[in-house]
Amino acid sequence: QTVVTQEPSLTVSPGGTVTLTCASSTGAVTSGYYPNWFQQKPGQAPRSLIYSTSNKHSWTPARFSGSLLGGKAALTLSGVQPEDEAEYYCLLYYGGAWVFGGGTELTVL
Amino acid sequence: QITLKESGPTLVKPTQTLTLTCTFSGFSLSTSGVGVGWIRQPPGKALEWLALIYWDDDKRYSPSLKSRLTVTKDTSKNQVVLTMTNMDPVDTATYYCAHRAYYGSSGYFDYWGQGTLVTVSS
Repeated sequence: QTVVTQEPSLTVSPGGTVTLTCASSTGAVTSGYYPNWFQQKPGQAPRSLIYSTSNKHSWTPARFSGSLLGGKAALTLSGVQPEDEAEYYCLLYYGGAWVFGGGTELTVL
Repeated sequence: QITLKESGPTLVKPTQTLTLTCTFSGFSLSTSGVGVGWIRQPPGKALEWLALIYWDDDKRYSPSLKSRLTVTKDTSKNQVVLTMTNMDPVDTATYYCAHRAYYGSSGYFDYWGQGTLVTVSS
């Protein structure tokens, strides 16, 4: 059973920078896993932010960026805003199946 | 614009079969590269990918649930149907359908429905 691991929770100050990571139990995450990142606020459906490691949608704020970092997928928020407080999920592709991470609860305090 | 909406029962009994319908607009499931996926989320827990059906009727299922899932499409009605057999209380969750856009082997899930909460209880 493949497991995708994220930090359970992180706290960041408004205006600060924070990096969320996404690791795979199968080894290093590469671009071939097409990492995706989603934001979910309470009572709402997930919203796609990043696809295929670092690609943004037209609606993705510029302060969000995706990358590969030390064998993991990473989502960096620069200049965090209070409205960025949410749960963040990564999604990895395993050749015909997808696995979500357990989510990171981001608190802006 | 692309929209999706899930529909189906809000309550099912243990051992029953769940049938959910995703009705969408703004795209065609006969367009090359397009797909519709199903994802669920138990209350207070993480997202879990369940299944995906492609424009060419190819299908992919979560290995852990494969024996219980079936996904079909009706292109003329712009609908995708997910069935899950032998429902259990642990299957209580909000079920989402999502548009899969073409991009490389994986594609990505860019537009999501609002979700529908299904409770499994006797």
